[in-house]
Amino acid sequence: NAGVTQTPKFQVLKTGQSMTLQCAQDMNHNSMYWYRQDPGMGLRLIYYSASEGTTDKGEVPNGYNVSRLNKREFSLRLESAAPSQTSVYFCASSRDRGFNEKLFFGSGTQLSVL
Amino acid sequence: TQLLEQSPQFLSIQEGENLTVYCNSSSVFSSLQWYRQEPGEGPVLLVTVVTGGEVKKLKRLTFQFGDARKDSSLHITAAQPGDTGLYLCAGAQGANNLFFGTGTRLTVIP
Repeated sequence: NAGVTQTPKFQVLKTGQSMTLQCAQDMNHNSMYWYRQDPGMGLRLIYYSASEGTTDKGEVPNGYNVSRLNKREFSLRLESAAPSQTSVYFCASSRDRGFNEKLFFGSGTQLSVL
Repeated sequence: TQLLEQSPQFLSIQEGENLTVYCNSSSVFSSLQWYRQEPGEGPVLLVTVVTGGEVKKLKRLTFQFGDARKDSSLHITAAQPGDTGLYLCAGAQGANNLFFGTGTRLTVIP
């Protein structure tokens, strides 16, 4: 099993450009998440989808949009990239939403905005 | 607002030494998870502790949840180079909130 697959692995954007980060899971999980990881800040939740057809804001949603395309796929879009969005982005999934659920993470997308 | 502070931020030790990493907060958590992350990869769950005072062992790793469910520790006995990585704690509040700590970067020197 591939688990959680993210693309691309690396991306460089100019300020104002747009892009979409793709994420797919093959574990038949209901819940999916997007996190960003910055040095000294830990992982912060951007958006999550508790189940197919629903999305909710996390801790740092400004400047991002998401789409739960189907049960497998959850994409993150930056409409107008800013240098403050330079970060490593991780997609994750879990069987269900809940504090005891195990999160499975993808290998990340390193994004630089110049 | 950073709910979970980890210490130390960086730790470099020789193979065979013991170490303890701390995860502290002023907030109460329903449960606490520990992850290890290697360069270029996502975090991988090591353990979840749920009950105050709970101790779990995973080979040479011992995890403890504080009695008041506000803090946790990870103790590694006889560290090995394969233990090198970023250790993250994450505390759950309610059904929908999981807050990650700032991380401890461990290097074990052969």
